[in-house]
Amino acid sequence: DAGVIQSPRHEVTEMGQEVTLRCKPISGHNSLFWYRQTMMRGLELLIYFNNNVPIDDSGMPEDRFSAKMPNASFSTLKIQPSEPRDSAVYFCASSLSDPRDPQYFGPGTRLTVL
Amino acid sequence: DQQVKQNSPSLSVQEGRISILNCDYTNSMFDYFLWYKKYPAEGPTFLISISSIKDKNEDGRFTVFLNKSAKHLSLHIVPSQPGDSAVYFCAASGISNFGNEKLTFGTGTRLTIIP
Repeated sequence: DAGVIQSPRHEVTEMGQEVTLRCKPISGHNSLFWYRQTMMRGLELLIYFNNNVPIDDSGMPEDRFSAKMPNASFSTLKIQPSEPRDSAVYFCASSLSDPRDPQYFGPGTRLTVL
Repeated sequence: DQQVKQNSPSLSVQEGRISILNCDYTNSMFDYFLWYKKYPAEGPTFLISISSIKDKNEDGRFTVFLNKSAKHLSLHIVPSQPGDSAVYFCAASGISNFGNEKLTFGTGTRLTIIP
């Protein structure tokens, strides 16, 4: 299995631009998570999907952030408009189904907003 | 409000000695705890977990200890090897306000094993 796939690996954009991060979870996994990693706050859960349905989006910082999971093999995290404080590494993770199953993380997308 | 705290941002240990990474939590509703390991330019990988009904779980060179009364857990690596150099994240699982289980991560500890 290729593991969780994320694209792009690096993204540099200017303030105000739209950014779309993509994720392909491990086949057969029913849960998908988007996290953001910063030095100050570590890994923060942004949103959690189960069977393609958003379950908990309490970590989404504000309305500029949105996430979709149109099918079991694809999810997007969109930031519009982007701001310099959104600069971070964004991880996607997937797990089987039980909340206590280990989560498998992708390699992350390093976002820099100038 | 950081509910899971790793107060040591970094730790250096001689190869062959024991590495002890610490983690404190504030939410008494957390009942399942995990450690993840992260290499540069990679995502975190699951290492070991422990349920609150236990106080110790061992897997090879890795042992996690849980002290519920102190709200403290630790990861012991013995003997430490150069390949153990990585960032280690502590995570705690509990029920969110939405009724789902949710992982809360600490800020990580960078472990460096000195050959």
